[in-house]
Amino acid sequence: EAGVTQFPSHSVIEKGQTVTLRCDPISGHDNLYWYRRVMGKEIKFLLHFVKESKQDESGMPNNRFLAERTGGTYSTLKVQPAELEDSGVYFCASSPLGLADNEQFFGPGTRLTVL
Amino acid sequence: AQTVTQSQPEMSVQEAETVTLSCTYDTSESDYYLFWYKQPPSRQMILVIRQEAYKQQNATENRFSVNFQKAAKSFSLKISDSQLGDAAMYFCAYRGNTGNQFYFGTGTSLTVIP
Repeated sequence: EAGVTQFPSHSVIEKGQTVTLRCDPISGHDNLYWYRRVMGKEIKFLLHFVKESKQDESGMPNNRFLAERTGGTYSTLKVQPAELEDSGVYFCASSPLGLADNEQFFGPGTRLTVL
Repeated sequence: AQTVTQSQPEMSVQEAETVTLSCTYDTSESDYYLFWYKQPPSRQMILVIRQEAYKQQNATENRFSVNFQKAAKSFSLKISDSQLGDAAMYFCAYRGNTGNQFYFGTGTSLTVIP
């Protein structure tokens, strides 16, 4: 079974440009999460989808970030316009609905560098 | 808000020896879940071990075990008989009983010395 995949693995853009990150969760996982790790800091929650609905977007830093999950399958996270402080590793995770102790299955992350 | 603290940015261990990674957390909840994740250099983060707060018995997975001290809000990871493949970044994570998001620490980079 394929794990969580993310594309691209690495993106380098200039300040002011737009970048779209993609996440494909494990098939059948209705929960999809986005997290971000800024260099040397903790991994921070951004938002949570249940199927196509945003369950919790309390971690989204500002309105330059837009996440979508059309059809309840893959998700995209767009940053527009990108700022220097957006640099970091963006992780996607998925899990099935159900048990509270469900582990979240993480993708390899997208390393975003804003110059 | 819940916070997770990993006070050891870097640790090293001799191959075949034992190492303990520390993690403390802050919460007002009584029911919650704790996890240790490992991120090898290839970057895919994988679950190492989990602990339910209502269980007094410490979780064990082969060479990995935890020392869960609920009153002290401490959740350390012990790796026995360390192997070269254990070299990775280790993240401690907390999940409350009412929410889905994980709260992570800043990570501990573990080096295994041959």
